[in-house]
Amino acid sequence: DAGVIQSPRHEVTEMGQEVTLRCKPISGHNSLFWYRQTMMRGLELLIYFNNNVPIDDSGMPEDRFSAKMPNASFSTLKIQPSEPRDSAVYFCASSLVRGTYSNQPQHFGDGTRLSIL
Amino acid sequence: AQKITQTQPGMFVQEKEAVTLDCTYDTSDPSYGLFWYKQPSSGEMIFLIYQGSYDQQNATEGRYSLNFQKARKSANLVISASQLGDSAMYFCAMRETWPQFYFGTGTSLTVIP
Repeated sequence: DAGVIQSPRHEVTEMGQEVTLRCKPISGHNSLFWYRQTMMRGLELLIYFNNNVPIDDSGMPEDRFSAKMPNASFSTLKIQPSEPRDSAVYFCASSLVRGTYSNQPQHFGDGTRLSIL
Repeated sequence: AQKITQTQPGMFVQEKEAVTLDCTYDTSDPSYGLFWYKQPSSGEMIFLIYQGSYDQQNATEGRYSLNFQKARKSANLVISASQLGDSAMYFCAMRETWPQFYFGTGTSLTVIP
């Protein structure tokens, strides 16, 4: 079975440029999560979607960050303009959630290692 | 208050020995799930094991078992017969009623040959 697919795996770009990270969740999963991981702050939840609808974006650091999920099989995380402090590994994860409680784990993609120069 | 606390930033274990990685959690929700993930140096996050709050028995998955003590709000991961490939970061996570997960800060495990 195909897992969560993220692209690109690595991205190096200059400060001020727009960065778009992409995620294809596992087919049939109805929840999608974007995380950022750094040494200083650990694993941070940025935003999550349920049935393609953003539920909680309180973790998005600032207006430079935006995320969309136009359909059940695709999501993007965009940073515009990018800054060096955005350098991190960005993970996408998906899960199947039924009702208000589910025992299903989140399945993670391999992550995008982003470096802003 | 932290939802998930992992107090061991780094652990060492001799190959073939067992090791316990600590995790305590904080919730007032009667329904919750506890998860452990492994992150090797290659970076991917690998789901290991799950324990539900209503589960009567401790979860086991191969060499992984979860020592679930509900009254103490702890969910420690036990790895038996450690292998060199077990060297990695290990994260404890909890979900309450919403899909959102709360992750701990992780424990770095090094297996010594």
